[in-house]
Amino acid sequence: GAVVSQHPSWVICKSGTSVKIECRSLDFQATTMFWYRQFPKQSLMLMATSNEGSKATYEQGVEKDKFLINHASLTLSTLTVTSAHPEDSSFYICSATVSGLAADTQYFGPGTRLTVL
Amino acid sequence: AQKVTQAQTEISVVEKEDVTLDCVYETRDTTYYLFWYKQPPSGELVFLIRRNSFDEQNEISGRYSWNFQKSTSSFNFTITASQVVDSAVYFCALSEAGAGGTSYGKLTFGQGTILTVHP
Repeated sequence: GAVVSQHPSWVICKSGTSVKIECRSLDFQATTMFWYRQFPKQSLMLMATSNEGSKATYEQGVEKDKFLINHASLTLSTLTVTSAHPEDSSFYICSATVSGLAADTQYFGPGTRLTVL
Repeated sequence: AQKVTQAQTEISVVEKEDVTLDCVYETRDTTYYLFWYKQPPSGELVFLIRRNSFDEQNEISGRYSWNFQKSTSSFNFTITASQVVDSAVYFCALSEAGAGGTSYGKLTFGQGTILTVHP
């Protein structure tokens, strides 16, 4: 149980375009989802916390107008990187908290590797 | 502010050796949660263990064991008889607790330890 999927698994785009990444909880309802960014050989850095039906909470230094997060249902959150630039190239990982069951454990998606040319 | 330190950047062992990955944390919360995750080359994080701050009992799961020492703010992870498949990056993480003792879920990760197990 507690499977989280992400789509796409990798994406290459041109500078200036927007990219949408989906995060789905497949077999549970996730009241809270998190978005992380991981640069090569570095740790995961939390970008934002997303609660279903409300605005995302962004970490300090993360541009909310650039990284749009939508959490429209209990099983889907999306991250849109707007006007992507090469410095946005990274590994983006989402996670979800299982509501009501082991609520303190985050289950992670497989990640999306974004390359901006 | 919370902080997690994994002082070992890289560890290299030969198969069947035991290896311990260190994790030291800082928090002002009295209730918190500690985690270990494994990140194989594929990139997906695999949950290994969760421990809350009131439970200092050590845990063993197969070849894995964890030693939680609140007095030294450490939560170390030992792999016994390591195998090549254990090669991965291992992350220790800390989350604060919210009202009612549940976690907000906001994780602070250590820098990770790259473990390479040679055949």
